[in-house]
Amino acid sequence: DAMVIQNPRYQVTQFGKPVTLSCSQTLNHNVMYWYQQKSSQAPKLLFHYYDKDFNNEADTPDNFQSRRPNTSFCFLDIRSPGLGDAAMYLCATSRGGIRSGTSLGNEQFFGPGTRLTVL
Amino acid sequence: LAKTTQPISMDSYEGQEVNITCSHNNIATNDYITWYQQFPSQGPRFIIQGYKTKVTNEVASLFIPADRKSSTLSLPRVSLSDTAVYYCLVGDFRDEKLTFGTGTRLTIIP
Repeated sequence: DAMVIQNPRYQVTQFGKPVTLSCSQTLNHNVMYWYQQKSSQAPKLLFHYYDKDFNNEADTPDNFQSRRPNTSFCFLDIRSPGLGDAAMYLCATSRGGIRSGTSLGNEQFFGPGTRLTVL
Repeated sequence: LAKTTQPISMDSYEGQEVNITCSHNNIATNDYITWYQQFPSQGPRFIIQGYKTKVTNEVASLFIPADRKSSTLSLPRVSLSDTAVYYCLVGDFRDEKLTFGTGTRLTIIP
């Protein structure tokens, strides 16, 4: 019954060593999102894809990149992780709001998250 | 985007009804109000969404007054498992993005 799957659940990397987090979905949703959540803070949107249309948030550092090779998968690449990038990374999906033609299309379904540690 | 204000934390005893109020004074005509629940080390989970008056589902009720400048999430007869952070979000129904506010950390006491 898993709908939004994130692998791995825990990731340890070294300072400056590139790391990739993955997300997959079985919901066939149009939109996939990546959020960063630091301890005791709210999730912060990094970027999202509507189908293949990439939407970057203005304050997302260039160090963060994303790929969506198909509807089901989305990847978060951190090119040179710093100590400040240690956080929980959450993937979410939605049908896509009004563009999807559904009234509750903007309800988001979240995965369990990947906790990233940077040594 | 409409800014939301909610209490940072609340405590309640098991079995009581809990009401969490969110203020959103500059809500726009196209904005919906949505609440999410987040347990530790898990992703947020959709609870309820509404535009005006009252919405009820199997988990909670959402009360929205006529001016829509605030909303109240009501959790009936809470249990220890309702201990979580509850986020109030206000966003345009045409927009696929969400902006999370600070959230309310609800602690249920035995």
